[in-house]
Amino acid sequence: EVQLVESGGGLVQPGGSLRLSCAASGFTFSSYSMNWVRQAPGKGLEWVSYISSSSSTIYYADSVKGRFTISRDNAKNSLYLQMNSLRDEDTAVYYCARDKGTVTHSTFDYWGQGTLVTVSS
Amino acid sequence: EIVLTQSPGTLSLSPGERATLSCRASQSVSSSYLAWYQQKPGQAPRLLIYGASSRATGIPDRFSGSGSGTDFTLTISRLEPEDFAVYYCQQSRTFGQGTKVEIK
Repeated sequence: EVQLVESGGGLVQPGGSLRLSCAASGFTFSSYSMNWVRQAPGKGLEWVSYISSSSSTIYYADSVKGRFTISRDNAKNSLYLQMNSLRDEDTAVYYCARDKGTVTHSTFDYWGQGTLVTVSS
Repeated sequence: EIVLTQSPGTLSLSPGERATLSCRASQSVSSSYLAWYQQKPGQAPRLLIYGASSRATGIPDRFSGSGSGTDFTLTISRLEPEDFAVYYCQQSRTFGQGTKVEIK
């Protein structure tokens, strides 16, 4: 059974940093691209970042470019999101999602339960 | 950048009725990468349809997808109580704003 479990969310002040983790199991993690997708309270879904299976290709949404860094450790079956210079508008539930698509077109076939990040003073 | 517009914003229907949800792209997109997701309150989204018309693993056959070019449709043939939720279309790495299917 495919499982994705996020952790690392919490309350952080504007300008602060946070590192999210996603532990994967039930599939060959090193064979799949992965993504982070977020959802602000009461709002829709927003894709945040993509990383290919070998980490050779990485993309970011314009809203987080230069502030967030995605990475993965295939030996540990883990995905990460380092979030710096956090803003109020980064407040959201952050989901990790497995990708069954291509480098240019993602399809998110499995999702974690999400971890809440709250940016507030 | 492609914009996906879903309509209606809210659909009020009774169990057993047919639901038809629309997703319109701002420019022609490949149907190979058009997906639909279901999200219930407090839960993560779930993949329903990919490639515009292929059902994901474990998805009941009352869910079907169709369309090409700029116009795509998700149809739920007969609404079950568990189908009342928010539905999102997605292409590339862009999501529509969602359609809420609520109990009338």
